[in-house]
Formats: sequence, structure tokens, C-alpha cells
Amino acid sequence: QKEVEQDPGPLSVPEGAIVSLNCTYSNSAFQYFMWYRQYSRKGPELLMYTYSSGNKEDGRFTAQVDKSSKYISLFIRDSQPSDSATYLCAMSGATGFQKLVFGTGTRLLVSP
Amino acid sequence: DAGVTQSPTHLIKTRGQQVTLRCSPKSGHDTVSWYQQALGQGPQFIFQYYEEEERQRGNFPDRFSGHQFPNYSSELNVNALLLGDSALYLCASSLRGVSYNEQFFGPGTRLTVL
Repeated sequence: QKEVEQDPGPLSVPEGAIVSLNCTYSNSAFQYFMWYRQYSRKGPELLMYTYSSGNKEDGRFTAQVDKSSKYISLFIRDSQPSDSATYLCAMSGATGFQKLVFGTGTRLLVSP
Repeated sequence: DAGVTQSPTHLIKTRGQQVTLRCSPKSGHDTVSWYQQALGQGPQFIFQYYEEEERQRGNFPDRFSGHQFPNYSSELNVNALLLGDSALYLCASSLRGVSYNEQFFGPGTRLTVL
């Protein structure tokens, strides 16, 4: 079993839709939870990070972490064609030298 | 302010050959991590360098080795290349000592092994 599970998609939505992306994980030591966006043939770009449980909002993006269920989500409101990309969840511990553990990535397609 | 840069952009090698990939971290960063991203997969951690020493290593064989230089730049070396080593190799830099050491990724080097 992988430490981080993520549905690879693709997820196709019309412009303006609310998008929900999710990951589950098994390692209780994870404390930081990140969402990266990766366009084709580019490096991942950090969208948001959350420490421990709770919600965080940044513009059209909202990240949620439920440590009791080992479940994290990213919501995108008013989705735009420019949001079409692969969304990667990533996690790490909080001390020492930290590596990022990534999910497979979910490919999102927003049609005009 | 230049971000993380990697060279070369693309590379084609044959099985059994050796390859060296290079990374320059974002200005002010002192830690470099390397990840391998196979097609359709998320990045997998290879190793991390800080103060010119390997500090943590993922589940990769000894064919994968690295180095960090005094100016914080880094190299990833892969010996005896296998077809399965074909992937996008990503370098990420961060600053140790802050509460959240965000890792900034470069554009990657796409390695094809024939």
C-alpha cells in the first residue's frame, strides 16, 4: 500500500464548476500537507500548504486537512481553463530533514 | 531573482551509460533535494543534500549518487543506466532552519534511456 493515495483522473469539468481533489494517507507522522500544480513538462509549483488539521483559503483555492480520517482535500471555486493541469498532493513530517511524499497526481481538465 | 535551474533540459542515453544532471538552487537556499518522476506518477524522493552531505535517502539503489558543492549547487549521477531510469528528474531547493522549509522545484531534466 502506498503512503499517499490519489485518484489519477482525469477529472473533466465545465468552466465555472467547483472542483474537489482528494488524497488519503497512512503515515500518522505527516504534519505538513501541500498541494502542488504541475503543467505539462514543467516542474511542480506550490499552491498551498497546511500545518496539521484545519482549513486554509487563498483566493479561489481552499485546502482542508482531517488528520483523524487521514484525508486531505483541495477545492477550486469558479474553475477556469487555465486551471487545467495535474494537481499533486504532498506530505512531510515536521522535524529534521524532510522529504516530500507525493500522491500520483490528479489530471484536471476544465473546458470552456 | 532566478529560481531553481536545471541542466540539461533533455538527455538521451543508452543502457549501461552514465549520466550527470545539474541543479542550481534558488538564491538564498542551502538545501537541495532530488526527485524522480516517472510518466503518470508523482515525484519520488531520491536524496537530500545539506552542507555538502547526503542527509536523507529514499529507496533508490547505489547507482544513484549525488554531490553538493560549496555554492550549494548539486549534481545527480546515475551509473549503469536501465530502461526504467527514463523519467523527469526534478531538483528542489529549500532553506533549512525556518519553520516550514518550502521546497521550490526546477523545470526538471527529462532523461530517456534507449
